[in-house]
Amino acid sequence: KAGVTQTPRYLIKTRGQQVTLSCSPISGHRSVSWYQQTPGQGLQFLFEYFSETQRNKGNFPGRFSGRQFSNSRSEMNVSTLELGDSALYLCASATGADLSGANVLTFGAGSRLTVL
Amino acid sequence: QKEVEQDPGPLSVPEGAIVSLNCTYSNSAFQYFMWYRQYSRKGPELLMYTYSSGNKEDGRFTAQVDKSSKYISLFIRDSQPSDSATYLCAISGGYNKLIFGAGTRLAVHP
Repeated sequence: KAGVTQTPRYLIKTRGQQVTLSCSPISGHRSVSWYQQTPGQGLQFLFEYFSETQRNKGNFPGRFSGRQFSNSRSEMNVSTLELGDSALYLCASATGADLSGANVLTFGAGSRLTVL
Repeated sequence: QKEVEQDPGPLSVPEGAIVSLNCTYSNSAFQYFMWYRQYSRKGPELLMYTYSSGNKEDGRFTAQVDKSSKYISLFIRDSQPSDSATYLCAISGGYNKLIFGAGTRLAVHP
């Protein structure tokens, strides 16, 4: 069973540019969530999508956005990049229907973004 | 105050030692508690998953949740060099939102 696939694994951008990251969830999983990991702030929740709808959003500026397609694949976009956006961006998938918190999340290996 | 507090370490132990990793949390409404392990340049992988209070054991790993004191623990028995990683406690906030601790970096030396 294939895991969560994230592309690209590494990328370098300059300030002011924008970036799009992609995530393919485990087959059958309808929920995709995104997290940012930095040495200073740790792992922080960005947003979660289920059946193409954003259900939950973390405390990040509007420059961070995402979407989910009908095949459950998801993309996240960061516009007007800042130096502080350098981070490991992790995608996690889950079966997702349960809202109580009982779902198990499986993470991908991440996309490491460096902003120069 | 952060919702989940975890000592970032680092923690260095000899092979075979018992390791104790701990987190505290602030919201008594939380019910699902997890421990993830993250190796360098990898994503976090789920180690243990616990609902409400109590203990759960899986091989050399034991997870404990004490909801009365809002304290969660992970014990590793007979630690191995392959256990060297960052251990993250996480609490489910619903809607597949996990609230993570800072992570504790563990090094097990031969």
